[in-house]
Amino acid sequence: ELVESGGDLEQPGRSLRLSCITSGFKFGSFAMGWARQAPGKGLEWVAFIRSNSYGGTSEYAASVRGRFSISRDDSKRIVYLQMNTLRADDTAVYYCARDGLQTYSFDLWGRGTLVVVSS
Amino acid sequence: DIQMTQSPSFVSASVGDRVTITCQASQGISTYLAWYQQKPGKAPQLLIYAGSPLQSGVASRFSGSGYGTYFSLTINNLQAEDVAIYYCQQCDSFPLTFGGGTKVDI
Repeated sequence: ELVESGGDLEQPGRSLRLSCITSGFKFGSFAMGWARQAPGKGLEWVAFIRSNSYGGTSEYAASVRGRFSISRDDSKRIVYLQMNTLRADDTAVYYCARDGLQTYSFDLWGRGTLVVVSS
Repeated sequence: DIQMTQSPSFVSASVGDRVTITCQASQGISTYLAWYQQKPGKAPQLLIYAGSPLQSGVASRFSGSGYGTYFSLTINNLQAEDVAIYYCQQCDSFPLTFGGGTKVDI
């Protein structure tokens, strides 16, 4: 199971940190990702982090690179998304997801957490 | 970046019909493609990975095919519970990209 938290109403230029608490699987063995969905819009991939077995390296969408940072704490089974310099177009439901098949597809998703960026 | 183009954007069909959704990649991606179903107010659910294998627990009326730049998702014997938006996603390279979605209605 994946449970996201940390979504909130925040002003442009401010920061938020999303958390994804996981359970029921061997967290450290899997790559994880974040995707988002703006209201009434389609899915957009945001960030990806490999397992530490594969270096724990990360990837970002161009729209968030330099502003967002993904990290993981295998001891706590949590993946984070640090979101800095928020913009109005970051408003979306943010989903945490697992790459359970090692195919860069996502076989397990959380229910999402809503981030609203507005003054 | 690899662009993913889905068509149609909307399809209305009857229970028992066969529905086919297509997804075209802007460059060849072998079979590195996934399909998702998203029901209203819910998170996406993986249906198909690597172009054609069915994700565990997914109904066998769903099938995927394709290679390179052209892919399709077929729903045989459409059921009322299949009303959803369907997305393709290329898994070939970063940035990962999704198609714009196809809404399936009864």
